[in-house]
Amino acid sequence: GAGVSQSPSNKVTEKGKDVELRCDPISGHTALYWYRQSLGQGLEFLIYFQGNSAPDKSGLPSDRFSAERTGGSVSTLTIQRTQQEDSAVYLCASSAEPGLAGDTQYFGPGTRLTVL
Amino acid sequence: KQEVTQIPAALSVPEGENLVLNCSFTDSAIYNLQWFRQDPGKGLTSLLLIQSSQREQTSGRLNASLDKSSGRSTLYIAASQPGDSATYLCATPSGSARQLTFGSGTQLTVLP
Repeated sequence: GAGVSQSPSNKVTEKGKDVELRCDPISGHTALYWYRQSLGQGLEFLIYFQGNSAPDKSGLPSDRFSAERTGGSVSTLTIQRTQQEDSAVYLCASSAEPGLAGDTQYFGPGTRLTVL
Repeated sequence: KQEVTQIPAALSVPEGENLVLNCSFTDSAIYNLQWFRQDPGKGLTSLLLIQSSQREQTSGRLNASLDKSSGRSTLYIAASQPGDSATYLCATPSGSARQLTFGSGTQLTVLP
């Protein structure tokens, strides 16, 4: 079946503009994760969804970042008033049963965000 | 807080060599340990997952081992090929969300 998809693949924006990043998880996966990969910082966790609710938002770096998930499927990550330090690759992952030791997270190809 | 470290940061080997990538973690109470591959400009591809009750997992030329007591995992690649060139990341889930904590990766180059 289809894997995790993300759009756009690349986004260039001007400082101060808002951006929306989209993630389509694998069908039937209840858990959805957003991560950020930036030079010098490695991969860091941003937010987790179980169904449509986000019990863990601990990784969001500031209140300019928000995310939602609708219908237990598609998720959007919104960054308001973008700053140059927001430039990074934003990765989305989904999994079927995060409570199980054998659960694997499947990653999308990422969205490369560049803030000029 | 779980911390994951990978050594070396970069590795270059001639084609055909067997090699070992290292991953260490600070909290031994893990659910599993996962190895991923990342090609330039791409997302992450899951290679192997070792559950906490297991000692090793094999897939083709790849073998991953887990020693929870010492906080270490290794990824063994046999008979390396230029197509194996990529960044290899290890990660383990933690927290109530089981979010992955990643190492910084080992960038592998296999020379033809």
